[in-house]
Amino acid sequence: ETGVTQTPRHLVMGMTNKKSLKCEQHLGHNAMYWYKQSAKKPLELMFVYNFKEQTENNSVPSRFSPECPNSSHLFLHLHTLQPEDSALYLCASSQIAGDEQYFGPGTRLTVT
Amino acid sequence: AQSVTQPDIHITVSEGASLELRCNYSYGATPYLFWYVQSPGQGLQLLLKYFSGDTLVQGIKGFEAEFKRSQSSFNLRKPSVHWSDAAEYFCAVGRGEAQKLVFGQGTRLTINP
Repeated sequence: ETGVTQTPRHLVMGMTNKKSLKCEQHLGHNAMYWYKQSAKKPLELMFVYNFKEQTENNSVPSRFSPECPNSSHLFLHLHTLQPEDSALYLCASSQIAGDEQYFGPGTRLTVT
Repeated sequence: AQSVTQPDIHITVSEGASLELRCNYSYGATPYLFWYVQSPGQGLQLLLKYFSGDTLVQGIKGFEAEFKRSQSSFNLRKPSVHWSDAAEYFCAVGRGEAQKLVFGQGTRLTINP
């Protein structure tokens, strides 16, 4: 238990659906991250939020929309996804951006 | 640009044998260095970190790593592996002002009984 929770743990959605992934950290951290992990590919940083402000968007397609309402919560809103978006989506937090990161268990997303 | 290379994609060792996983980095200044472990279907767990000071750092689960500035390396070691050590291991580099970590491609460790 790292203090970072993610829901749901598994999600199957069609290409026309809209869904959201939720991440919550109980560590009092100020930075939060979304990563995408696909089979046989390196961990891909998607977004960084530092003190609720987005500081990094790693050329992520607009069908992924992040939201950080406060330092403890991070959402990833999904719409019109493609099958190649199927992956494990990991959330992480750190005291400040660039510091050691603590990861949640991930959401396994399957797009059909 | 900063980068991390883990030369070994897959390593197999026998239970009880010693282990060394390699990590080389490219960074403009002395970076922060990390090793993470990921069990199948799980998130990443921090094993150990180097920020400054003693170049040999101890981590959880009996792991250690040594920072060698001259070789731009931060190799992970364990004197005797257990079957439960089978997992994917990731090296990462970063620094506060860079605001993010860069991860290597990972090394998958298999343990033979």
